[in-house]
Amino acid sequence: GDSVTQMEGPVTLSEEAFLTINCTYTATGYPSLFWYVQYPGEGLQLLLKATKADDKGSNKGFEATYRKETTSFHLEKGSVQVSDSAVYFCAFPKGAGSYQLTFGKGTKLSVIP
Amino acid sequence: GAGVSQSPSNKVTEKGKDVELRCDPISGHTALYWYRQSLGQGLEFLIYFQGNSAPDKSGLPSDRFSAERTGGSVSTLTIQRTQQEDSAVYLCASSSQGPLPNYGYTFGSGTRLTVV
Repeated sequence: GDSVTQMEGPVTLSEEAFLTINCTYTATGYPSLFWYVQYPGEGLQLLLKATKADDKGSNKGFEATYRKETTSFHLEKGSVQVSDSAVYFCAFPKGAGSYQLTFGKGTKLSVIP
Repeated sequence: GAGVSQSPSNKVTEKGKDVELRCDPISGHTALYWYRQSLGQGLEFLIYFQGNSAPDKSGLPSDRFSAERTGGSVSTLTIQRTQQEDSAVYLCASSSQGPLPNYGYTFGSGTRLTVV
């Protein structure tokens, strides 16, 4: 069935370090792919998305490229800040035209000064 | 409103009691969703509303769970005879783009339910 596998956290980085959070998915077809972020005490927010193969989503310095060949959507940022400390979720619609999102289990990122 | 509002933000209840969780979606958003976020389980879909109708209730874990939406706006998730395994963060989301999540949802901050 449809599923998302994210790298397990927690991930602790120093400020200005390079970040990669891996995400791979198993799905029927080629769904849109999303990264959501949950800052402490807040709800999930859409961080970025890509709707088709080879698309690159980007926002707030974060990027992720839709890789059809490897069924991956890894999240990257070149230089993290303390304010990036949050939980990051990879997600995609459960089926073609579906309203349900299938989420990964989340990766907690802590950035230390 | 400016965002999705959920209340209460925290709820502690005794096992066996009923609880009601409220969600106020963004004004004009026709689609509303409930998800549950449990430790170690990630986010689970519970139910989807389009207007006042719930075309998909398949994620509700048992008949102790029910939800309604009135006036195409506020939604209430009710859990009867709460059990300890119901402890989780209950998240509500809404969307203006109909049922397709391609544009992303807007989530509320959630209600943290603890059953003791």
